Amino acid sequence: DVKVTQSSRYLVKRTGEKVFLECVQDMDHENMFWYRQDPGLGLRLIYFSYDVKMKEKGDIPEGYSVSREKKERFSLILESASTNQTSMYLCASRRTTRRSGNTIYFGEGSWLTVV
Amino acid sequence: DQQVKQNSPSLSVQEGRISILNCDYTNSMFDYFLWYKKYPAEGPTFLISISSIKDKNEDGRFTVFLNKSAKHLSLHIVPSQPGDSAVYFCAASGPLETSGSRLTFGEGTQLTVNP
Repeated sequence: DVKVTQSSRYLVKRTGEKVFLECVQDMDHENMFWYRQDPGLGLRLIYFSYDVKMKEKGDIPEGYSVSREKKERFSLILESASTNQTSMYLCASRRTTRRSGNTIYFGEGSWLTVV
Repeated sequence: DQQVKQNSPSLSVQEGRISILNCDYTNSMFDYFLWYKKYPAEGPTFLISISSIKDKNEDGRFTVFLNKSAKHLSLHIVPSQPGDSAVYFCAASGPLETSGSRLTFGEGTQLTVNP
């Protein structure tokens, strides 16, 4: 079974704080993703990474950065947290072989509240 | 620009009946489609997928239909069970080898199955 682990399930941070959300996958997947989920807006892609040290902006990258120094780990960084970044954050990973298809596997999610 | 759209935010059905969830897309480059199911406070889990070379894929109680000319897909659940109550997300992507291979999600449909 694919395991995508997000280190923090629930966080409360103050406006202006730097926030790190960590994600680790144990299936040697090349691709990793960060999404946020908000009611009525679905899952929106923040950043993704095709492989180690590679990153690409998604649909809503403003206010976020990412780091992928090792294949199994993909970190999302909020440089200066703001209240509009209160959301559920979802990490996901995917193998890129054609046989594995395009299925991505999600972690449990991290609920971030910025006050 | 919402490339994947789920027009019904919610759907309510009786246990034992059929649930039909709909999804429309606009990008003709999409060639792979997936459905995910999400319970509150959990990450989405993969349910079923379909490639654009098919028009139907079935897995137990779940069937996905794809109408490429209409750029429309639907998920049928028969018979519906109370445990199926969740938010269902439709997702689409382009060919795996291209930069369009990231998954684009719809807004989600909340399905409620009443006993």
